[in-house]
Amino acid sequence: AQRVTQPEKLLSVFKGAPVELKCNYSYSGSPELFWYVQYSRQRLQLLLRHISRESIKGFTADLNKGETSFHLKKPFAQEEDSAMYYCAPQGYGGSQGNLIFGKGTKLSVKP
Amino acid sequence: DGGITQSPKYLFRKEGQNVTLSCEQNLNHDAMYWYRQDPGQGLRLIYYSQIVNDFQKGDIAEGYSVSREKKESFPLTVTSAQKNPTAFYLCASRSGGHQPQHFGDGTRLSIL
Repeated sequence: AQRVTQPEKLLSVFKGAPVELKCNYSYSGSPELFWYVQYSRQRLQLLLRHISRESIKGFTADLNKGETSFHLKKPFAQEEDSAMYYCAPQGYGGSQGNLIFGKGTKLSVKP
Repeated sequence: DGGITQSPKYLFRKEGQNVTLSCEQNLNHDAMYWYRQDPGQGLRLIYYSQIVNDFQKGDIAEGYSVSREKKESFPLTVTSAQKNPTAFYLCASRSGGHQPQHFGDGTRLSIL
């Protein structure tokens, strides 16, 4: 079965501390991996995707196919990073093109 | 950022009443989706449509219905058969392939 596990419901760190939001997935085939973010009072939006290999707002995510993980990392957290983060693999074509969302991790960055 | 427009922002339903949530997109995307977001549950897929005049059930379709008569529109009806409709509803669309989904601002549905 396809599923995504984000083990931490809530992650609280102080400003300037490193942060890692964990994501493990079980998915047949080779999905594309996404991280979506939902800031307070804003719409859910794409943060980054594996295929782009970009760093967005200081965040990076490394795909580990052996461990089937796609953890999101940032070396120095900022207060404006406080938000809800969702990990989501997506296949290609047909129903495989649907996103499978984890339950999300709420990141709280304290001053 | 227009893209996807959901209306209304807030909606109240009386017992036994059907209500319809609107979702319109001007991105020329083929695929559209409806999700339900509950605290601690993440996003769960209700229905999706990959092309006009075609749609499929998602993981929690019971008590909901949709139509896709136009490419830009994908309305969701929450019927009286949905016993726990109070939630935040999100609509999304995407072009295809491995492209990401784009989301609307959501509609919050509550029971009177």
